[in-house]
Amino acid sequence: QLQLQESGPGLVKPSETLSLTCSVSGESIASNNHYWGWIRQSPGKGLEWIGSIYHSGSTYYDPSLKRRVTISPDASKNEVSLKMRSVTAADTAIYYCARGLITVTRGGLFDLWGQGTLVTVSS
Amino acid sequence: QSALTQPASVSGSPGQSITISCTGASSDVGTYDYVSWYQQHPGEAPKVLLYDVTYRPSGVSTRFSGSKSGNTATLTISGLQAADEADYYCCSFAGSSTWVFGGGTKLTVL
Repeated sequence: QLQLQESGPGLVKPSETLSLTCSVSGESIASNNHYWGWIRQSPGKGLEWIGSIYHSGSTYYDPSLKRRVTISPDASKNEVSLKMRSVTAADTAIYYCARGLITVTRGGLFDLWGQGTLVTVSS
Repeated sequence: QSALTQPASVSGSPGQSITISCTGASSDVGTYDYVSWYQQHPGEAPKVLLYDVTYRPSGVSTRFSGSKSGNTATLTISGLQAADEADYYCCSFAGSSTWVFGGGTKLTVL
């Protein structure tokens, strides 16, 4: 059964780098029918797409976060990582890892989500 | 890219139908038929209800349906049930393999 599990420090200091890992079990992250995304939700707020990585290794990011974010795969561990540099309090959020499914129309959806992990940015 | 616009809240009584709108721009909702909808109960991860505007994943109730006109997509929930009380989010493809979510709508079942 496919499962996604986010992990990483729950507290990060301002100006430092947030590092999270999404461990995927039950499917290879190299599957060419899927992609992997990071989505966050600030306390009491809506969802915000951060970025996605495809089996080809291509990555795409929200334009407003692009200069601070890197998503990368670790095929040997079947993990997808997220690094966000120079964080501020505005980056405090629940961070979700999600599987993206490419539909027959070449669209997509996030069909499976991890439980999310809360990251607080504070000194 | 700007977040899609959703009403902050909607409400309805059991058995009724409600709609939630999701307004974007010509660069996202208006151009692509790649709008999905997600339901999120408190303390839980989001769950997909619809994708590609009108398609339901296996296991999702037929009470959930979607449509799109111009820059606005709409989620309709018919036969409202207490379990439908949750937050709902739309999401649209925005070109260049990027996605944008709506601000979310809180549904209250009266």
